[in-house]
Amino acid sequence: TQTVSQSDAHVTVFEGDSVELRCNYSYGGSIYLSWYIQHHGHGLQFLLKYYSGNPVVQGVNGFEAEFSKSDSSFHLRKASVHWSDSAVYFCAVSPGSWQLIFGSGTQLTVMP
Amino acid sequence: EAAVTQSPRSKVAVTGGKVTLSCHQTNNHDYMYWYRQDTGHGLRLIHYSYVADSTEKGDIPDGYKASRPSQENFSLILELASLSQTAVYFCASSDTNSGNTLYFGEGSRLIVV
Repeated sequence: TQTVSQSDAHVTVFEGDSVELRCNYSYGGSIYLSWYIQHHGHGLQFLLKYYSGNPVVQGVNGFEAEFSKSDSSFHLRKASVHWSDSAVYFCAVSPGSWQLIFGSGTQLTVMP
Repeated sequence: EAAVTQSPRSKVAVTGGKVTLSCHQTNNHDYMYWYRQDTGHGLRLIHYSYVADSTEKGDIPDGYKASRPSQENFSLILELASLSQTAVYFCASSDTNSGNTLYFGEGSRLIVV
């Protein structure tokens, strides 16, 4: 059974700070890992994904994520956040087929 | 332009009534999905479809039916709505070439009273 864990339900930072949103997964085989963003009242939007190769992947709006097989993690980072980055971020795991399994989400609040 | 559109965006239904949520995609994707989101939780898969005229059960199919009359359209049907089905419902699409990237609609907020 694949599981996705986002240990932080809420993260609050100030504008211009760096941020890391954590994601850990459990699965024994090859998987896709991805991050999605959900602004309040809207649907989810794709940010980035990893399957193989360079463990650091770049996404839109300055986001990047790093895959670690040893830690079973795929943490999302941004060097300098903007107020518009306030949203809920979902990590997702896919075992190579069509299905995505989502974590419970992390609410990021960026203070002015 | 939005490639996945849902209707209605919001609905209040009475317990025991029938509810139909509709989804239309212009991505030309083969896969379509219905997810449910409850406050403070992630998304859970209700039904999905990979071809017209065929639907499959997801992780929480009980109390829901789905219909895929064409590649572009995918409906979620609650024959007898219950209070526990109050939630936000998201439709999404993907194709086998997109590496499991999902494209979501804006959601349909359903309140059952």
